[in-house]
Amino acid sequence: TQLLEQSPQFLSIQEGENLTVYCNSSSVFSSLQWYRQEPGEGPVLLVTVVTGGEVKKLKRLTFQFGDARKDSSLHITAAQPGDTGLYLCAGALSQGAQKLVFGQGTRLTINP
Amino acid sequence: KAGVTQTPRYLIKTRGQQVTLSCSPISGHRSVSWYQQTPGQGLQFLFEYFSETQRNKGNFPGRFSGRQFSNSRSEMNVSTLELGDSALYLCASSFSQQVGSGNTIYFGEGSWLTVV
Repeated sequence: TQLLEQSPQFLSIQEGENLTVYCNSSSVFSSLQWYRQEPGEGPVLLVTVVTGGEVKKLKRLTFQFGDARKDSSLHITAAQPGDTGLYLCAGALSQGAQKLVFGQGTRLTINP
Repeated sequence: KAGVTQTPRYLIKTRGQQVTLSCSPISGHRSVSWYQQTPGQGLQFLFEYFSETQRNKGNFPGRFSGRQFSNSRSEMNVSTLELGDSALYLCASSFSQQVGSGNTIYFGEGSWLTVV
């Protein structure tokens, strides 16, 4: 049973389009993190959201943490080929432990 | 500053053998955690160490073990290797155990293990 359901698993869109990736759970997380992973490399942290309802923006990327801290979304505006990669959400069940629960990942392809 | 360093990057082992993977955290980081990444299961937590003590352990069999040294460097060991142990093993380090803003978790590039 996957604790964090991430969708969609695969997404291929044209440059300039918008997209949203979702992470949902029945569990409450103390924080949720979004990572991006390139082939052959480890995940790189994009953002951490801690407070329910929190919204963070990173250039064309907007991250939201659900009010109940059970879900999160990543929205990319005007996607570019450089956004291509594997996006992972990861939740921390406890603030005092580094045990992260990862979603299955969204493999995003932006076509020029 | 240097990132999280994992060695070896690639290795091939035979079923039944054992393997030891090494992780050097970012200088000053005392918390180290390990994850297994496979296409089918994604990233799964193995264990977490802080100040040489195992703080958390994931749902993996006893064949998977680890330790942390006084300099925060960590090793993980897998004994009696099985084909299903083929995976990318990722090490992550951070300054403290706290997860949240202000305490970024940095991942290494991983060790690719293939069991034949």
